[in-house]
Amino acid sequence: SQTIHQWPATLVQPVGSPLSLECTVEGTSNPNLYWYRQAAGRGLQLLFYSVGIGQISSEVPQNLSASRPQDRQFILSSKKLLLSDSGFYLCACERGGTEAFFGQGTRLTVV
Amino acid sequence: QKEVEQDPGPLSVPEGAIVSLNCTYSNSAFQYFMWYRQYSRKGPELLMYTYSSGNKEDGRFTAQVDKSSKYISLFIRDSQPSDSATYLCAMSDGGATNKLIFGTGTLLAIQP
Repeated sequence: SQTIHQWPATLVQPVGSPLSLECTVEGTSNPNLYWYRQAAGRGLQLLFYSVGIGQISSEVPQNLSASRPQDRQFILSSKKLLLSDSGFYLCACERGGTEAFFGQGTRLTVV
Repeated sequence: QKEVEQDPGPLSVPEGAIVSLNCTYSNSAFQYFMWYRQYSRKGPELLMYTYSSGNKEDGRFTAQVDKSSKYISLFIRDSQPSDSATYLCAMSDGGATNKLIFGTGTLLAIQP
């Protein structure tokens, strides 16, 4: 079964600083990978998804970008963080079925 | 109108009670329906997965899908304090990208 590793678990960053969140997947190959953001009371918002290496689709215009340099690695980045980027970021993967499996998330606070 | 509607709660019930959680949706193309459980400050974990209409049972949990009414439910029997969490419904049309659309989640508290 798939295992999803996300780090760090918690991050406090100043406004205007860069961001890099990493997600790696074990136990599967060629998965679909997703980045979600969860804000209080607003459920999960899909930010990016990737169906393969170098293939990134963005769901919403924003200050963030994503990359997939390897089959089981998905990175979420920003050049300059905004206060509104604060939230709980979740990486998810899916392969072969339709249910997605999630990592444990990174809680980002931009100050 | 949101694609998926879910009452955010909070819902508080006594231990041992039957819990009913629900979501409605507007997109008739949805075919795959999931329930996730999320403990505070943790990632969601898949609880139940159902394809199309019908019921599915797993231990104390039963998932129901009524596509004609665009309505899905999760029932928890003999609820336990450890069931206290946020429950998120999610659904997909099963396309190539398999994007899941989530409800906002219902916060459930089981009182001992």
